[in-house]
Amino acid sequence: NAGVTQTPKFRVLKTGQSMTLLCAQDMNHEYMYWYRQDPGMGLRLIHYSVGEGTTAKGEVPDGYNVSRLKKQNFLLGLESAAPSQTSVYFCASSWGQGSVFFGQGTRLTVV
Amino acid sequence: AQRVTQPEKLLSVFKGAPVELKCNYSYSGSPELFWYVQYSRQRLQLLLRHISRESIKGFTADLNKGETSFHLKKPFAQEEDSAMYYCALRGSNYKLTFGKGTLLTVNP
Repeated sequence: NAGVTQTPKFRVLKTGQSMTLLCAQDMNHEYMYWYRQDPGMGLRLIHYSVGEGTTAKGEVPDGYNVSRLKKQNFLLGLESAAPSQTSVYFCASSWGQGSVFFGQGTRLTVV
Repeated sequence: AQRVTQPEKLLSVFKGAPVELKCNYSYSGSPELFWYVQYSRQRLQLLLRHISRESIKGFTADLNKGETSFHLKKPFAQEEDSAMYYCALRGSNYKLTFGKGTLLTVNP
């Protein structure tokens, strides 16, 4: 009964390093989302996908790239990490008209 | 463009008092509205969907299209209701947008 799983749970990066966050869902959902959560800012949408092979920009896409090569996975990449990208990242997935389920979050610190 | 506004960052009530968390939205089409709850920086959990019109943990919310609001209400707050609450809107393009959240504290 995994639901939405994010890997890793915690990560510390140095400025300029790159990394990829993995989101995996086992519910055969079409729609997947990446958010960042910052104090006082709520959840802001980075990118989302409405199906395998498709991606779209959200509110704060700069500095991030995504890929949805397989329906169950949605990858979030940081090519050159900056301290402003220190945040908690949440992945979510859903059917088109169904409830949206969230992962447990990834706490990323960029030093 | 779609937008969700939660005017209160913080809301503090006493146990047993009624509570109302406000949510206003801006969207040109027919939106789908949600309330999510987050306890102590855990993952977000769905509390309510306006489509289902159900009551969860004593909370209810009614979509008012005239006032473009989806306020969350509970007649008698409990200490375990203390959490961060987010209102969210999903548009016809399946883009899901959240408000900034309201931190509810229920005092004993």
